[in-house]
Amino acid sequence: QSALTQPPSASGSPGQSVTISCTGTSGGVGDNKYISWYQHHPGQAPKLIIHEVSKRPSGVPDRFSASKSGNTASLTVSGLQPEDEADYYCSSYAGGNNWVFGGGTKVTVL
Amino acid sequence: QMQLQESGPGVVMPSETLSLTCTVSGGSISKSSFYWGWIRQPPGKGLEWIGSTYYSGNAYYDPSLKGRVTISVDTSKNQFSLNVTSVTAADTAIYYCVVLTGYVDDYWGRGTLVTVSS
Repeated sequence: QSALTQPPSASGSPGQSVTISCTGTSGGVGDNKYISWYQHHPGQAPKLIIHEVSKRPSGVPDRFSASKSGNTASLTVSGLQPEDEADYYCSSYAGGNNWVFGGGTKVTVL
Repeated sequence: QMQLQESGPGVVMPSETLSLTCTVSGGSISKSSFYWGWIRQPPGKGLEWIGSTYYSGNAYYDPSLKGRVTISVDTSKNQFSLNVTSVTAADTAIYYCVVLTGYVDDYWGRGTLVTVSS
C-alpha cells in the first residue's frame, strides 16, 4: 500500500487561503485519477468535497478547489470561513478495491 | 439517497472478536455495483482503510489487518458486517461503514465508537 503524506496542520485568518498538500508515490498519486478529499468535523461523518482529483460534488462551495502535479495533490480553501475549521483528508485508490488515506491536516481558522 | 447505519457493542474485551453490522437503507446491496467497506479512526489519529466486499462475496482487506478481518454481506437483511478477531487496545476506534467509488457516489455511516477494554 502506498502512503499519502499530509502536513499535520495549516491555518489562516478569515478570508485568507490555505493550501494542503498530499504527497504519495507514483502509483499513489501521480498516475491516479481517483484522488478524493474529505472534510471531517469531529463527531460527524467525513464529507466528500473533491473527487477525481478536482471535481466538486454538488453543494460544495467553489471556495474549495484541488489539483495535482506530479506525485502531489493539493487542496486549496479560498476565502476561509469559520465553518471551514476541520480536519481534511486526501485519499487515493490503491487497487484491488482498497483505498489509502493521508494522515489528515487540521485546518485552524485564526 | 442511500443511508448507512452502524450497530454493535461499544465495548469489547481484549482477545475477543469485534463484530459490527451496517444496515443499508435507500438502496439494495445485491442490486448495486458498489463495494461495501469499513474504515476506522483510532483516537487522535487519522482514517484507516479496513477493507470492502462485493455482495457476491469478493472481499479485499488492507494488508496490515489481513488475517484478523472478515467482511461479509447478508443480502436478505440488506446488511453487511465486520469481524475483527483477537482485538487489542490498538483496535479501539470509531468504525465507519462506507461506500467509496472514487466518483461522486460516496456514502458514510455516522460512525460507532468501539473500545477494547476489560
